[in-house]
This record gives sequence, C-alpha cells and structure tokens, in this order.
Amino acid sequence: AQTVTQSQPEMSVQEAETVTLSCTYDTSESDYYLFWYKQPPSRQMILVIRQEAYKQQNATENRFSVNFQKAAKSFSLKISDSQLGDAAMYFCAYRSTNAGKSTFGDGTTLTVKP
Amino acid sequence: DGGITQSPKYLFRKEGQNVTLSCEQNLNHDAMYWYRQDPGQGLRLIYYSQIVNDFQKGDIAEGYSVSREKKESFPLTVTSAQKNPTAFYLCASSRGQTSNQPQHFGDGTRLSIL
Repeated sequence: AQTVTQSQPEMSVQEAETVTLSCTYDTSESDYYLFWYKQPPSRQMILVIRQEAYKQQNATENRFSVNFQKAAKSFSLKISDSQLGDAAMYFCAYRSTNAGKSTFGDGTTLTVKP
Repeated sequence: DGGITQSPKYLFRKEGQNVTLSCEQNLNHDAMYWYRQDPGQGLRLIYYSQIVNDFQKGDIAEGYSVSREKKESFPLTVTSAQKNPTAFYLCASSRGQTSNQPQHFGDGTRLSIL
C-alpha cells in the first residue's frame, strides 16, 4: 500500500518570504498523480497544485511550485511571496492510476507572520 | 455553480443511534468518496464509489455504511457499531478513477456524541 509522509507538522514563514513544505511517498508504481491541497480554517479542501509522475517538468501555479524528485519519491511544495491568506493546513496526496483512491499525508500547518 | 453539498453542517448522535450524513454533487462526477478527519490529522478513507450501485471499503470502513443509488448522491451512515464517531467528515468527488483530475470536496459535517 502507498504511504505519504509529511515530516513537518508545523511551519511558519514571514509574510513575503518563501517557504518549502516537504512530502515523501512510498510506492512501487511508475505512473501516478501527486497533489497538494490547502485546508484553511473554514475547513474546505482546495486544490493547490498537481503533478503527473510521467512529466519531468515541475508544476507551477502562480506563487506555488513543486520540486518533484521521482527517484527520491519526494514532492515538496514551495510557496513564494507568502501572504497572510496562505495560512492553512497543507496536505500532500498520492493517487494511483489503478486504484482510483487517494492517500493523504497527515498535513503541515503553515503560519504566516505579518 | 457546480459543487458538492454536504448536510448537515453539525450533527449530534446519541448512544446506540444511527445517523446519516448527506452528500450531493452536481458536477457529473463518476467517483465519490467519504473521508474522516480527526483533529490535527490527515484524511482517512472510509468508503468510495466509482460508479452507481457499486462501492468499496476504504481503510476504516468498520461501523460505517454507504449506498450509491444515484450518480449525484453518496450518503454515509454512521452506525451504532462505530464507537468513536466524533470527527469531521468530508465528502469528495472526482471525474473518474484513473483521471488526473483532482478531488472536489464539500464543506464537511462535524459529528459529535451527545
């Protein structure tokens, strides 16, 4: 079974600075999808960014980018120019192309300091 | 606007009582999911359904039951066999089991024991 590990329960960043959230996963599959979701205090889960394993190019969405290292099974999220609205819990998720379900990490709570 | 609607937002259960959480989506998604989230933790999969009239157990299905009679609806029943039901429950849907499309989430239902 796949496992997803987020080794940083809590992180903090100064407004306008850059922060990187870590995620590693364990799988024997070669093709899969990876996602980062954001859960603000309102508790609604929102997609931040996604990556297909077969793509070597790292995904980027405005201030959010990933560092996808397939061989190392690492999928970190970089948030640039952090804003107060980025404060939330961030979840890394692995989705198999075969099983149809996702496995989530335990999350990283990000605090943004003004 | 398309989306996922969960109701009620808050639910209280008495000892020995079954309660049902509603989840409706108008996104025309084939797959639907139920997750449980405990404080400070990640999402754990309870049940998922990839097509009408079919569903599979997730990682923590004991004490829960579901049905999928309509594409739009995937209600979750928390039975009296679930001894520790207090948690936040999230319903999600996605376009297909092998799609790279992300999951869309509802706003959640918070269940507490009276």
